[in-house]
Amino acid sequence: LAKTTQPISMDSYEGQEVNITCSHNNIATNDYITWYQQFPSQGPRFIIQGYKTKVKNEVASLFIPADRKSSTLSLPRVSLSDTAVYYCLVGGQAGTALIFGKGTTLSVSS
Amino acid sequence: GAVVSQHPSWVICKSGTSVKIECRSLDFQATTMFWYRQFPKQSLMLMATSNEGSKATYEQGVEKDKFLINHASLTLSTLTVTSAHPEDSSFYICSAREVWDSRNEQFFGPGTRLTVL
Repeated sequence: LAKTTQPISMDSYEGQEVNITCSHNNIATNDYITWYQQFPSQGPRFIIQGYKTKVKNEVASLFIPADRKSSTLSLPRVSLSDTAVYYCLVGGQAGTALIFGKGTTLSVSS
Repeated sequence: GAVVSQHPSWVICKSGTSVKIECRSLDFQATTMFWYRQFPKQSLMLMATSNEGSKATYEQGVEKDKFLINHASLTLSTLTVTSAHPEDSSFYICSAREVWDSRNEQFFGPGTRLTVL
């Protein structure tokens, strides 16, 4: 079973900031939180990963509260090309697979 | 860095034939590789975990005699769909983890679209 819960879908307009929140109430101490993006007929693409507090890279920010039971992916100023499915995953033990939940389908309109 | 390739990117075959899909880690060594399957409008479903030099571990409900996985080297894993049927038509995606992996970071291939006629 997937360890995470996300909204099934979200809609946004170009130029807006999009925040996608993921619940992972049973996250283990050694689990990292990783977000992937997937376009149709392509493999998932790594966006960002974090363990606690805030992480930021050139494409997104990841906010993780102290209890780590949730996380929020923030996409600044989305464009049409950000229309995709976004997956939140938790995991940490070496050799174990990432188990995908249903993901969030983000639709960006002009 | 950390590139995973798959070959072929798409394949069409007749029912009853076997199809082999290759997954390669191009610039790193992968102790563990994973195979996923994705049906239209659905999420990725883990099929099996393969470790170099040992037998693959299959998820519940995945037929190991139908989906043969070989992980003969640290850079190559293959998935062979034997006696393929139309219901095996799907998008197959592999991923790999580096040998010295301190975080659960998986690198995914671009996927292989299998269509069984």
